[in-house]
Amino acid sequence: AQSVSQHNHHVILSEAASLELGCNYSYGGTVNLFWYVQYPGQHLQLLLKYFSGDPLVKGIKGFEAEFIKSKFSFNLRKPSVQWSDTAEYFCAVNAYGNEKLTFGTGTRLTIIP
Amino acid sequence: AAGVIQSPRHLIKEKRETATLKCYPIPRHDTVYWYQQGPGQDPQFLISFYEKMQSDKGSIPDRFSAQQFSDYHSELNMSSLELGDSALYFCASSYRSQGASDTQYFGPGTRLTVL
Repeated sequence: AQSVSQHNHHVILSEAASLELGCNYSYGGTVNLFWYVQYPGQHLQLLLKYFSGDPLVKGIKGFEAEFIKSKFSFNLRKPSVQWSDTAEYFCAVNAYGNEKLTFGTGTRLTIIP
Repeated sequence: AAGVIQSPRHLIKEKRETATLKCYPIPRHDTVYWYQQGPGQDPQFLISFYEKMQSDKGSIPDRFSAQQFSDYHSELNMSSLELGDSALYFCASSYRSQGASDTQYFGPGTRLTVL
């Protein structure tokens, strides 16, 4: 069974700071990787995904993530955060051919104006 | 673009009552997933359906059942409700193409409160 670790539980940054949220997964086979964002009181929205190909994927709102297979990592980055990025961020993985998503525990991001 | 629709958005029940949550997937999506998110927790997979057949099962209590209908909407039936069932229940849908699943898109969730 796959598992996902997000080591940063709560991150506080000032506006315009750079962001990197860690995500590591545990699974021996081929995986699909996702980052979802959950704004306060709202549902999960897809930020970006990696299925195959270029390990550097770009998503919405200026986010990007890099898949490093040797490190089992899929870290989320944004060069300059905005106050509106305040939200909970979930890394998720599913195994190729097995659709159920396994989520990390989430990282709460707070941006200070 | 059309999104996943869930109803009701909020539901308050007493212990030992039953509840039915509904999910309407994005048009042409054939796969539905149910997740449970407790307070301050990550979503946990409950069950999924593909073409009206159960395709996978997670940590779903025996008190819960679900099905997918001919129009692809799905219902999660919860009986003998317990306080611990209070959570946000998300439905997600995807289109399974060529045997591999596509991205799951989530609905707004149903917040169930059991008193």
